[in-house]
Amino acid sequence: GEDVEQSLFLSVREGDSSVINCTYTDSSSTYLYWYKQEPGAGLQLLTYIFSNMDMKQDQRLTVLLNKKDKHLSLRIADTQTGDSAIYFCAERNTGGFKTIFGAGTRLFVKA
Amino acid sequence: DTGVSQDPRHKITKRGQNVTFRCDPISEHNRLYWYRQTLGQGPEFLTYFQNEAQLEKSRLLSDRFSAERPKGSFSTLEIQRTEQGDSAMYLCASSLVGQGDEKLFFGSGTQLSVL
Repeated sequence: GEDVEQSLFLSVREGDSSVINCTYTDSSSTYLYWYKQEPGAGLQLLTYIFSNMDMKQDQRLTVLLNKKDKHLSLRIADTQTGDSAIYFCAERNTGGFKTIFGAGTRLFVKA
Repeated sequence: DTGVSQDPRHKITKRGQNVTFRCDPISEHNRLYWYRQTLGQGPEFLTYFQNEAQLEKSRLLSDRFSAERPKGSFSTLEIQRTEQGDSAMYLCASSLVGQGDEKLFFGSGTQLSVL
């Protein structure tokens, strides 16, 4: 079945880079997403990548996709205290209706 | 710019009571989703609508749950005879399908506590 797994916690110092990792099982996944959730709020789409790409950069965010290993990562450069949140990896098939989410990685940024 | 709005933000109810939540999606969006999120977990799919048609329901959605989107705009999610296990954050999301990729825009959720 479809499954998305992430490490639960990551702690970094302000100014360092953060790398959040995710693995997924569905080889037919076409769209892979990163969402951010702050306390008491809904999920905010940060970025996404198509499965025919291996990298996407958007300002401080870099997404890397290793389709062979079904591994996705999100790198946040120059991490700030405002980046402290839960980050969810998610995947969806072409034509599918269901987006499958991981359990989220809690990022703590120390000043 | 009005995003997805959900009402109420919080609901506390006693076991056995009925509750209803409302979601107003982004106006031009044709798909509307309901997800449930429990503490320490990611959102789990419950059901979705394409315009006014409910096209899929998860096995998580027991007979006590019903969702409607009568005019293809706002949606309601009703839970009858609530149980303590229903306590969770109920998230609504909307999207515009038909442009290749699909991006979900989430509301802030309704936090349900069943005592």
